[in-house]
Amino acid sequence: KAGVTQTPRYLIKTRGQQVTLSCSPISGHRSVSWYQQTPGQGLQFLFEYFSETQRNKGNFPGRFSGRQFSNSRSEMNVSTLELGDSALYLCASGEGGSREKLFFGSGTQLSVL
Amino acid sequence: SQQGEEDPQALSIQEGENATMNCSYKTSINNLQWYRQNSGRGLVHLILIRSNEREKHSGRLRVTLDTSKKSSSLLITASRAADTASYFCATAPAGGTSYGKLTFGQGTILTVHP
Repeated sequence: KAGVTQTPRYLIKTRGQQVTLSCSPISGHRSVSWYQQTPGQGLQFLFEYFSETQRNKGNFPGRFSGRQFSNSRSEMNVSTLELGDSALYLCASGEGGSREKLFFGSGTQLSVL
Repeated sequence: SQQGEEDPQALSIQEGENATMNCSYKTSINNLQWYRQNSGRGLVHLILIRSNEREKHSGRLRVTLDTSKKSSSLLITASRAADTASYFCATAPAGGTSYGKLTFGQGTILTVHP
């Protein structure tokens, strides 16, 4: 099986712009979660989707949003980018409804200038 | 917010030595997991231990869990240079439907010198 695929791998944006990141989970996985990783705050949970429904949301402003499609692919969007949004954004897929291990993609490195 | 602390923040050892990392957490958990991350890449799952388990082994890895102290440790035996990476503990909360909501520690940077 192919692993979790995230695109693009690198992204450079300027303040005020918006960005959309994409994640394709492992075939058959219905759960997709997003995490933000920064040197200062570490790994922070953004949100998770299961069967197109947002199950949980982390403590991030409304500028961060996401969605999941019927094929389980997911996108996250950040509007009105701020310098502090520079981070590695990681997507993870899960095997199913139980609280089991997550499979992570390689991430999208976002730089906001 | 982070679930807890990892200790030490950085660990430097020689090949062949054992490496021990500790993790503490704050709330009730369903399970605790350890992940590894090579520089700037995604995380790789290493091992999962459930709240009703006390010890688990996988190859050169040994994980212990003490729910009364809300702490866990990861032991890597006979370390290799290829084990150089950051190691994170992550907890899945008890109850609810938090399929993919893990709370991560700050991580331990392990350097294994050949």
